[in-house]
Amino acid sequence: QSVLTQSPSASGTPGQRVTISCSGSSSNIGNNYVYWYQQLPGTAPKLLIYRNNQRPSGVPDRFSGSKSGTSASLAISGLRSEDEAEYYCAAWDDSLSVWVFGGGTKLTVL
Amino acid sequence: QVQLVESGGGVVQPGRSLRLSCAASGFTFSSYGMHWVRQAPGKGLEWVAGILYDGSIKYYADSVQGRFTISRDNSKNTLYLQMNSLRAEDTAVYYCAKGEGATCYSTMDVWGQGTTVTVSS
Repeated sequence: QSVLTQSPSASGTPGQRVTISCSGSSSNIGNNYVYWYQQLPGTAPKLLIYRNNQRPSGVPDRFSGSKSGTSASLAISGLRSEDEAEYYCAAWDDSLSVWVFGGGTKLTVL
Repeated sequence: QVQLVESGGGVVQPGRSLRLSCAASGFTFSSYGMHWVRQAPGKGLEWVAGILYDGSIKYYADSVQGRFTISRDNSKNTLYLQMNSLRAEDTAVYYCAKGEGATCYSTMDVWGQGTTVTVSS
């Protein structure tokens, strides 16, 4: 059971906008930045969004992040087949003094 | 560019030890916190341990506390994970990751390709 809660799956058709949610608590998301990672099949995770809503250089602006209270969301607009991957949220947990991840959301592009 | 190359994985019997290494290049290693993250087969990501830029502070997941030790040699640009008393549930791909900043509170911004550890008799 992950400390951060994500829906196991999401799907959309090319060109659509999809949203992936991540729910936590006051000790993690509520008091710290949220980060999002993309893991393409068979590869290492890649940082997609940092500090709630910032994109590293090279990440398309189709990807955006937001945070409100103890929840966060990743939105992907203009969905493309290459976006099919596992997406993880992460945050530092002040109470546990560890980094916590969501269980991951598998995005399928139909 | 930033590169992290893990090594040291393999098949090991339960109760035995293994040491993973992560060779870093392309950045000033001694200025950044570092992490180990693992992924069991078919499962999600689990943060294992983090270490401050100078090695003075370390944090561990409860699941490995007392069994695993993270360390670094800034003169060799290398991160280590000493794993003792290995269990079947430690079977995973182990990723080395660079911290975004100097502390353990800074997230993992660049990841290595991973090294596989299998604990089995």
